[in-house]
Amino acid sequence: KAGVTQTPRYLIKTRGQQVTLSCSPISGHRSVSWYQQTPGQGLQFLFEYFSETQRNKGNFPGRFSGRQFSNSRSEMNVSTLELGDSALYLCASSPELVANTGELFFGEGSRLTVL
Amino acid sequence: AQTVTQSQPEMSVQEAETVTLSCTYDTSESNYYLFWYKQPPSRQMILVIRQEAYKQQNATENRFSVNFQKAAKSFSLKISDSQLGDTAMYFCAFMNYSGGSNYKLTFGKGTLLTVNP
Repeated sequence: KAGVTQTPRYLIKTRGQQVTLSCSPISGHRSVSWYQQTPGQGLQFLFEYFSETQRNKGNFPGRFSGRQFSNSRSEMNVSTLELGDSALYLCASSPELVANTGELFFGEGSRLTVL
Repeated sequence: AQTVTQSQPEMSVQEAETVTLSCTYDTSESNYYLFWYKQPPSRQMILVIRQEAYKQQNATENRFSVNFQKAAKSFSLKISDSQLGDTAMYFCAFMNYSGGSNYKLTFGKGTLLTVNP
């Protein structure tokens, strides 16, 4: 069974631009969560989607948004990029709501650099 | 607010030896999960072990075991017979569960473990 796939793996943007990251969960998994990982702040939760609905949200500004499609694939978008948005963005899937088990299956991440 | 503290930013151990990684947490909840996740260099993070707070028995997965001290709010990870492939960043994580989807999963800052040959 294929793991969680994230694209693109690396990207470079400039301040003010926007970016869209994609995540394909493990087949059969219905929940997709997004995390931001930085050396200073560590892993911070962005949001969780389940059955195309946002079920939980972290403390990030509205520039960060996401969505989930009927095939459980998910995208996250960051608008008006800032230098501080440079990070590794991790996607994680779960067979059910994360609240039920807490078990996450992570992808390799998309490394975003904002210049 | 929930906090997870990993007091050892870096550790090293010789191959085949045993190492213990520390984790403490702070919460007022009585029902919760605790986890250890492993993130090898340039590879995806994987779940190593999970512990439900209501279970008194410490969780074990092959060479990995935990020492869960609920009263002390401590959750350490012991790796026995360390292998070179155990070299990774290890994250301790806490999740409350009280029904519904309004949970909070909090990660510690991580401990970088290096296994030396």
